[in-house]
Amino acid sequence: AQSVTQLGSHVSVSEGALVLLRCNYSSSVPPYLFWYVQYPNQGLQLLLKYTSAATLVKGINGFEAEFKKSETSFHLTKPSAHMSDAAEYFCAVSGRNEKLTFGTGTRLTIIP
Amino acid sequence: SQTIHQWPATLVQPVGSPLSLECTVEGTSNPNLYWYRQAAGRGLQLLFYSVGIGQISSEVPQNLSASRPQDRQFILSSKKLLLSDSGFYLCAWSVGLARNEQFFGPGTRLTVL
Repeated sequence: AQSVTQLGSHVSVSEGALVLLRCNYSSSVPPYLFWYVQYPNQGLQLLLKYTSAATLVKGINGFEAEFKKSETSFHLTKPSAHMSDAAEYFCAVSGRNEKLTFGTGTRLTIIP
Repeated sequence: SQTIHQWPATLVQPVGSPLSLECTVEGTSNPNLYWYRQAAGRGLQLLFYSVGIGQISSEVPQNLSASRPQDRQFILSSKKLLLSDSGFYLCAWSVGLARNEQFFGPGTRLTVL
């Protein structure tokens, strides 16, 4: 079985500041990890994914995440926040089958 | 390229009425299909998934059912809606393997009054 925990249901950062969204996972097998973004009243869009290749994964819109096995973490970062980054972000994990287990999400607010 | 459609986009239904939400995928064959519900502040809950025509797995016992009458069509139904069925319903597809991401549709906002 696998699970993810997203610390902080709401995160606020100033425009231009570092964005850090936390995700810790639990998995009995080597995990595949994903970050998705959801804008209001829309479906989810994949930001990036880790599939056991490079531990530092770069995604769209300037986001990246680092897989740290020793910390069971897959935190999402962006060096400089933009107003358009305001959205809800979901971390997800999958194991041997095709099902994803999602975290409860983090709502990111950008302060002008 | 692949696309996924959901309709309707929004729906307001009275308690006790039936429900039918439809999802179709274009541009791929034999996808895995998923129905999720997103309630306010509760993340995504997997309701059903399907690996082929007529093959439905239910994740959570509830008032809903799913069917897959065609390879790229996935339908979510209810005979009698409850207030607790309100939420944002998302359909998604993937192509096998756990490392492959799921692609999501635009969603249906269901309000049960």
